[in-house]
Amino acid sequence: DTEVTQTPKHLVMGMTNKKSLKCEQHMGHRAMYWYKQKAKKPPELMFVYSYEKLSINESVPSRFSPECPNSSLLNLHLHALQPEDSALYLCASSQTGGSNYGYTFGSGTRLTVV
Amino acid sequence: DAKTTQPPSMDCAEGRAANLPCNHSTISGNEYVYWYRQIHSQGPQYIIHGLKNNETNEMASLIITEDRKSSTLILPHATLRDTAVYYCIAGGATNKLIFGTGTLLAVQP
Repeated sequence: DTEVTQTPKHLVMGMTNKKSLKCEQHMGHRAMYWYKQKAKKPPELMFVYSYEKLSINESVPSRFSPECPNSSLLNLHLHALQPEDSALYLCASSQTGGSNYGYTFGSGTRLTVV
Repeated sequence: DAKTTQPPSMDCAEGRAANLPCNHSTISGNEYVYWYRQIHSQGPQYIIHGLKNNETNEMASLIITEDRKSSTLILPHATLRDTAVYYCIAGGATNKLIFGTGTLLAVQP
């Protein structure tokens, strides 16, 4: 299995809702990432997990809460989002231990906040 | 992570080689050069990466200058399906990849 699977593919949520995005990989990768991408912009790094521990938080607002329950699964919990948080949310994974590894990206979750 | 500079857009005729340049003049010795591409609304796709030497795989070739301050991605025979935004990234030493603005490659029939 050489894929990163993200669910759901599309999500519409109200500003008072709580929802979660899910990301799964079975490549044995021990680093996992969340990126946010607005239309016509490059992906922006949000969080990095290494060996199931949060290693990088790029000053993301607390209404985004990441979780890594095990080495194959990465969640992003969403609460009290704003319409400007509407974007494509991308998950990626890679080997750890150095930079001689590429990232594998999922196809993303298209989030619309109404 | 080092900053990269790429032209915002390029055109290429179908069947011809596409040569995409990237400047990374502040790259440090342990940072790799990565290339990814993103077809509309899909996740970025890994193409190739390298440290010092030129690299080739089934998708593309990567030519890195001797001083490592710039590189060129070569798609040897571009097809319409190669139309995408191509991102050159210098980094990875801190286990994070920071995307620049990329080059929109339009392959023309």
